[in-house]
Amino acid sequence: AQSVAQPEDQVNVAEGNPLTVKCTYSVSGNPYLFWYVQYPNRGLQFLLKYITGDNLVKGSYGFEAEFNKSQTSFHLKKPSALVSDSALYFCALNQGGGFKTIFGAGTRLFVKA
Amino acid sequence: GAVVSQHPSWVICKSGTSVKIECRSLDFQATTMFWYRQFPKQSLMLMATSNEGSKATYEQGVEKDKFLINHASLTLSTLTVTSAHPEDSSFYICSAPIETDTQYFGPGTRLTVL
Repeated sequence: AQSVAQPEDQVNVAEGNPLTVKCTYSVSGNPYLFWYVQYPNRGLQFLLKYITGDNLVKGSYGFEAEFNKSQTSFHLKKPSALVSDSALYFCALNQGGGFKTIFGAGTRLFVKA
Repeated sequence: GAVVSQHPSWVICKSGTSVKIECRSLDFQATTMFWYRQFPKQSLMLMATSNEGSKATYEQGVEKDKFLINHASLTLSTLTVTSAHPEDSSFYICSAPIETDTQYFGPGTRLTVL
């Protein structure tokens, strides 16, 4: 069965420091992996996706994620956090290009000035 | 870029009434749209897949008679919560795929049932 795990409910980081939001997945086929961000009372905004190719994927707002097949991980990273990055982040998985998406539980990121 | 809108953005209704939520793709056509439900501080749960020209496909545990979905055109899907009760209060989000694997999400509708 497919699943997505975000082991941290919350991540706290100081502004200017690097941030990492963790995600691991389980799927029988080829994973299509996504990161979305959600601001309060808003829908989800697409950040980046991994389908195939280079394991390091660059996305919106300076975010990037690294696909690691051996560790079945897809951690979200940013070299220098901004206060405005504070939001709820979701890792998500489609199996092999289908539309049906499974979301992780979400990780709340707090960036302190 | 692709935009998906929802209307209303928030609604308060009395218990027992029905509420309709619209999801529109503004600059592209969507034969398929998805409806999600999100409880406070929780993840999105897929409720149903809305298919233009055919019946919606509901996820296990979702009452099709309570959450009526109509995909009226290639740019519009509606979710009607019938005989709403306080436990139906939630944040409802729709999405539409624009590529083979990427979805664009609406801004969400917050439903409060008194």
